[in-house]
This record gives sequence, structure tokens and C-alpha cells, in this order.
Amino acid sequence: EVQLVQSGAEVKKPGESLKISCKGSGYSFTSYWIGWVRQMPGKGLEWMGIIYPGDSDTRYSPSFQGQVTISADKSISTAYLQWSSLKASDTAMYYCARAPCGGDCYSDYWGQGTLVTVSS
Amino acid sequence: QPVLTQPPSSSASPGESARLTCTLPSDINVGSYNIYWYQQKPGSPPRYLLYYYSDSDKGQGSGVPSRFSGSKDASANTGILLISGLQSEDEADYYCMIWPSNASGVFGGGTKLTVL
Repeated sequence: EVQLVQSGAEVKKPGESLKISCKGSGYSFTSYWIGWVRQMPGKGLEWMGIIYPGDSDTRYSPSFQGQVTISADKSISTAYLQWSSLKASDTAMYYCARAPCGGDCYSDYWGQGTLVTVSS
Repeated sequence: QPVLTQPPSSSASPGESARLTCTLPSDINVGSYNIYWYQQKPGSPPRYLLYYYSDSDKGQGSGVPSRFSGSKDASANTGILLISGLQSEDEADYYCMIWPSNASGVFGGGTKLTVL
């Protein structure tokens, strides 16, 4: 059974750093891209970027380039999303998703989400 | 990044059909893209429903009932999700998505479907 298990909710202050995780199981972690999707409170879904754990090829949506860092450790089947300096506007639910890519990509399995709250 | 337009809300009665639309901007041809559809219920992650490219190139997500189907209206540059035989459990937000570049997908703004 394919599973993506994300780390728990976080409460941070503006300016702090944060790294959240997404552990994959039940499939070959190095054979599928992993994507990160943001959902701000009461809003829609936004693709942030994707990473191929097999070789760490990483691609960012223009809106998120330079704002976050996506990485992966294939030895422990885990992908990461990190911020160096959080802002209140980073408050959101963040989902990781397995992203099969052929001519294009989509997301077939999703993590349960990690709620990040940034408040002074 | 292109903007995919979905009506904010839609409603239908149990047993009826719901037709949810996803309109692409005029500079992007719906005929050139797979249209992906997701369902999201409150407090849950999105669920992949299906993709539609053409009648000969489409696919259903794992465990998704066949009463969920996709199509396109080329004249309106629109992707369509049709839900037949509506059930109360179908009440949810529905998002369309395309993958216009090698870096990122784009979601529509979502449609909140109410089953009356």
C-alpha cells in the first residue's frame, strides 16, 4: 500500500526556520517524483515544486522559487520542504504527493498534510 | 503560469448529474493537455479522481467509481467533470489541474459542490 506520512503540525514565529518531512512507503521511492502543494486557509491548491529522489533533480513553481527549498534523502525515503525565514503569510497546510511523470505529471497519492502556523 | 477558471460553486440534487467546468485561458488549447480532477472534502487531503485527454486516452483513479467521468468542450476551451447519480458523499470541493511546464502544475480555483 502506497503511503506518504508527513511530520506533525508546527507553530513558529516570523523569522524562524523550519523543515517538514514526508516519508514514502509501499513503492519504489526513487522511481517517482514527489511534489509539494500549499493550501492557505480557506483557499485552493498551489503546486510549489517537485523533486526526483533518484537523482535529486528539483524544479520549482515560479511563485515559490527562492522562497523554499525542496530536498530528499533517498536512504530513508523522505522528502523535505524547508524555509530559512518564515513569514506570517507562510501559514498554510502543506501536502506532499507522489507525482508520476510521463509527458506531464500529476499526483496520485497524497500525504495527510502538515499545518504550519506562523505567528508572533 | 496560466489561470484555470472554475465556477466557485455548483449544486444539484441526489440522483441528478453535476457538470463541473474548468476553462483554460485562450492562449492554451485544451486539446493539448491532460485535464486532471481532484476531490477534497473538509479536513482531508485531495483525492485523485481521473484524467481526461481524449475518449481513447483517459484514466480513472484507484477505487474511483465510474459515475465520475471526464470530457472536453473544445469550442469553449474547457475541461469537464461529470458526476452522475449524485450522492450526498459527493459533496466536496473539486479542483482541475494541468501541467503546462516541466516545473509545475497549475490548479484551478476549485468548485464547491453542494448536494441539495
